[in-house]
Amino acid sequence: DTGVSQNPRHKITKRGQNVTFRCDPISEHNRLYWYRQTLGQGPEFLTYFQNEAQLEKSRLLSDRFSAERPKGSFSTLEIQRTEQGDSAMYLCASSTWTGMNTEAFFGQGTRLTVV
Amino acid sequence: ILNVEQSPQSLHVQEGDSTNFTCSFPSSNFYALHWYRWETAKSPEALFVMTLNGDEKKKGRISATLNTKEGYSYLYIKGSQPEDSATYLCASPPLYNQGGKLIFGQGTELSVKP
Repeated sequence: DTGVSQNPRHKITKRGQNVTFRCDPISEHNRLYWYRQTLGQGPEFLTYFQNEAQLEKSRLLSDRFSAERPKGSFSTLEIQRTEQGDSAMYLCASSTWTGMNTEAFFGQGTRLTVV
Repeated sequence: ILNVEQSPQSLHVQEGDSTNFTCSFPSSNFYALHWYRWETAKSPEALFVMTLNGDEKKKGRISATLNTKEGYSYLYIKGSQPEDSATYLCASPPLYNQGGKLIFGQGTELSVKP
């Protein structure tokens, strides 16, 4: 296992199109997180899963965003009807939760550009 | 609402300089403080997780301190090298949240010139 893997690394799409990103976590990790990072800001929490259950979604996450983690393994994040404001780096992280000091392992991210 | 703030936003130093950055957080809402290093085109990499007031942690030339009573953490880099160039992020989990999500600061972008 080489860590958290995200695909694609880069995505350029036209406004209004749908896009889907994939995250493959470290295999034994039960928690999976999605974050979004825009220029000049730190990563911002979007949603997280424990196994296949989506337990929390940020209020910032519009209805155009949906995430799944079927069978508690890989996860997908879909953005429908993309807007220019969706341009950002989308990061995935995974962990085996043991408490507030649990280290999360991040992927390299998917950079989305909406033109 | 948990606000995590970092300063400075960016820092340019010469090779060999020592440097430090600050992360501040509400002292009343504290569980843990995470430091990450994020190099361009790589994954954010965990440096330290700190929980106790007065904690000091060290990894090579990088060290961090934690003051939970006044709500700040310092990250120090001794004798900066070009390979230290990265964005340094601190993050803290919100109070009462057992989900493990992190609230990140804006980051400090460090550039070390040879």
